[in-house]
Amino acid sequence: AQSVSQHNHHVILSEAASLELGCNYSYGGTVNLFWYVQYPGQHLQLLLKYFSGDPLVKGIKGFEAEFIKSKFSFNLRKPSVQWSDTAEYFCAVRDNNDMRFGAGTRLTVKP
Amino acid sequence: NAGVTQTPKFQVLKTGQSMTLQCAQDMNHEYMSWYRQDPGMGLRLIHYSVGAGITDQGEVPNGYNVSRSTTEDFPLRLLSAAPSQTSVYFCASSYRGEGNYGYTFGSGTRLTVV
Repeated sequence: AQSVSQHNHHVILSEAASLELGCNYSYGGTVNLFWYVQYPGQHLQLLLKYFSGDPLVKGIKGFEAEFIKSKFSFNLRKPSVQWSDTAEYFCAVRDNNDMRFGAGTRLTVKP
Repeated sequence: NAGVTQTPKFQVLKTGQSMTLQCAQDMNHEYMSWYRQDPGMGLRLIHYSVGAGITDQGEVPNGYNVSRSTTEDFPLRLLSAAPSQTSVYFCASSYRGEGNYGYTFGSGTRLTVV
């Protein structure tokens, strides 16, 4: 089964700063890639997903992610973060029947 | 449109007790799964099901049982609770498809074993 690595455990940014969160998965083949967000005290919500086509995927709330097949990466980006983006972000890979998650990156945005 | 419903939201158990976490979805999703979420470890798959009558193990199945008698319900049973099972448990569902579906998550059950 796939494994997922998220490089940053905790990221602290000021409002309006740009964001990039790293995500790598373990091996190639046909995979479906996701980013989820978990706001404090809530369940996971889907931010965006990739399964084919344009490797640059746009999601909700101004987030986007780029799939780079040669690097097994699916990094999440946002040009200008807001205080309300404070949350935990999870990268996930779906391979056949199960979805595997990274350990998560906690994002704190200072006003 | 209820989505994925988990009960209870909070539970405290004594070591050795058994209990069942309930999960129900009303979206006719074939695929259902249980995850546990622990700090610094993300979500780890416990068990999953691709349809009624079919279940399989995930990464961390020990100490848990599941069954899938209907499409709607996927209960998770703790046979003899241990402090290591203190965690937040999430149920998720999706269409089976070809994997290009995201999950719909329930709101979670916070379990403490003392």
